[in-house]
Amino acid sequence: GAVVSQHPSRVICKSGTSVKIECRSLDFQATTMFWYRQFPKQSLMLMATSNEGSKATYEQGVEKDKFLINHASLTLSTLTVTSAHPEDSSFYICSAIQTSGGPGETQYFGPGTRLLVL
Amino acid sequence: GDSVTQMEGPVTLSEEAFLTINCTYTATGYPSLFWYVQYPGEGLQLLLKATKADDKGSNKGFEATYRKETTSFHLEKGSVQVSDSAVYFCALSEPGGYNKLIFGAGTRLAVHP
Repeated sequence: GAVVSQHPSRVICKSGTSVKIECRSLDFQATTMFWYRQFPKQSLMLMATSNEGSKATYEQGVEKDKFLINHASLTLSTLTVTSAHPEDSSFYICSAIQTSGGPGETQYFGPGTRLLVL
Repeated sequence: GDSVTQMEGPVTLSEEAFLTINCTYTATGYPSLFWYVQYPGEGLQLLLKATKADDKGSNKGFEATYRKETTSFHLEKGSVQVSDSAVYFCALSEPGGYNKLIFGAGTRLAVHP
């Protein structure tokens, strides 16, 4: 149980185009989903937290107009990289938690999406 | 702000050797602590966690004890296998922090036969 999928697994696009990445919780309802970015051989950096039915909360330094997050249902969150540029090339990872209850809730991670902007 | 510091890798061991990966943290409250593992080409998987001081998390032969006095959560395994080769991330989440995870830099482990 507690499986999170991401689609696509990898995408190559031209500079200036927009790319949408989907994150789905397959066997549970996710009240909260998180989006991370991971550069090669580095740790994960939290980009934003999204709660179903409300606006995402972005971390400091993350451009909300560039990285659009929508959490329209309890099983789906999307990240759209608008007007992508080569510096946006990275590994994007989502995670989900089943409830927004007490501390120490386990986050279940998707397999990641590798974005390459040419 | 809160932070997690892990020992730098890579760590290279022979099969059946003892493993320790150090992790220390800085937090204003009493965080929950986690170890996640990332196998080559895969996403992160929760390895173990501890939510309060003196708790010991364990899974697949790995264990870590939440030490409040030393603000540490070191990962140990008595006998590693080649299949344990992966990147290991220590992380914390603060109570009231909406379960946001703060990760350490990750430690790459390579186990040779």
